[in-house]
Amino acid sequence: GAVVSQHPSWVICKSGTSVKIECRSLDFQATTMFWYRQFPKQSLMLMATSNEGSKATYEQGVEKDKFLINHASLTLSTLTVTSAHPEDSSFYICSARFMVGGTQETQYFGPGTRLLVL
Amino acid sequence: QKEVEQDPGPLSVPEGAIVSLNCTYSNSAFQYFMWYRQYSRKGPELLMYTYSSGNKEDGRFTAQVDKSSKYISLFIRDSQPSDSATYLCATLNTNAGKSTFGDGTTLTVKP
Repeated sequence: GAVVSQHPSWVICKSGTSVKIECRSLDFQATTMFWYRQFPKQSLMLMATSNEGSKATYEQGVEKDKFLINHASLTLSTLTVTSAHPEDSSFYICSARFMVGGTQETQYFGPGTRLLVL
Repeated sequence: QKEVEQDPGPLSVPEGAIVSLNCTYSNSAFQYFMWYRQYSRKGPELLMYTYSSGNKEDGRFTAQVDKSSKYISLFIRDSQPSDSATYLCATLNTNAGKSTFGDGTTLTVKP
């Protein structure tokens, strides 16, 4: 079953509005959560790395004031796209990393959120 | 040069064929290796992960890692049309804190 959930699965909004996407790790506490962006037929693009209780680390070229990340707990991270514009339309995917068996790490993805800004 | 190189394909095989998907990586600090399957308009689904050289098998899937040559593979036996998807390899260096992904190989299994 799914270990990472995302909500909403899709959203359509008007230009200038803000959109919040929630990412939850189910049944486990994530050591780290990540936010990716993916355009059609392209690879995943890491936007930011998020740890609970600390500021997110953004990749080069990602505007931290536009893509606000809040990591409220070990199981919840949110991405807010502020003042969204049509060029922000994309597929946003969160991911969570956790320990397996106490020694190994692996990473699971959420189902993604498709954002369309009109 | 990318840290993880993956042949984008596309790869098309008949149903029942054995599929071999491959990636190379350049950073010997990578400790974990993962394969994901991504269907269109869906998030990537973790198929296999391993942290050592050798083979790991799960049903029709076998992940192979050769750290000496920095080469990782995913084999799919008795491929099915439902295996048609994009397959992403990924490596993880826990010291660096993030995973590095290949660009994905698009696979089509024809009935």
